[in-house]
Amino acid sequence: DAGVTQSPTHLIKTRGQQVTLRCSPKSGHDTVSWYQQALGQGPQFIFQYYEEEERQRGNFPDRFSGHQFPNYSSELNVNALLLGDSALYLCASSLWEGRGYTFGSGTRLTVV
Amino acid sequence: TQLLEQSPQFLSIQEGENLTVYCNSSSVFSSLQWYRQEPGEGPVLLVTVVTGGEVKKLKRLTFQFGDARKDSSLHITAAQPGDTGLYLCAGAEYNFNKFYFGSGTKLNVKP
Repeated sequence: DAGVTQSPTHLIKTRGQQVTLRCSPKSGHDTVSWYQQALGQGPQFIFQYYEEEERQRGNFPDRFSGHQFPNYSSELNVNALLLGDSALYLCASSLWEGRGYTFGSGTRLTVV
Repeated sequence: TQLLEQSPQFLSIQEGENLTVYCNSSSVFSSLQWYRQEPGEGPVLLVTVVTGGEVKKLKRLTFQFGDARKDSSLHITAAQPGDTGLYLCAGAEYNFNKFYFGSGTKLNVKP
């Protein structure tokens, strides 16, 4: 089953460090969206990539950046980590013209 | 600030009971989706509704999209322990691929 794959599954970082999270979309999907889900909250939209470009962005600071590669996989980078960045980071893939996401299981980031 | 408000936030019921979860907004959505999320996992899509007044059934789950496309409800009949999880609604305003999520309803069905 070529679903959405995220790595790593868990990560612990120190305040001020930088982190890179990775996502491989579901086979056939061309669009990747990243969400941040704090404990007890719904996912918050970070940004979306299609054709290797950031197409839409939510209310997140420039410390959050991303990239999409020609094979549609994507990375989320967070610089100068803050304690408040601790959350589950979800990658969702879809078709640009389609409806509905397929989510990965997420990366649990803990900033200490 | 959540664009979508879900209620109730928490629900604990006995197996066999019926329940309804609500998702409300002041915004009009081109489509609305319901997801179920289990601990440690990503959300799993249950249904997408796109037409005002639309009703969709998925076994014991009934989803309704409001006539004005601003709200939705999820009704579960004869709940089972396997229905336990976080139920999330998500709406797309004008772009099919950018969804705003509610903060979810945490459902616990006791055997």
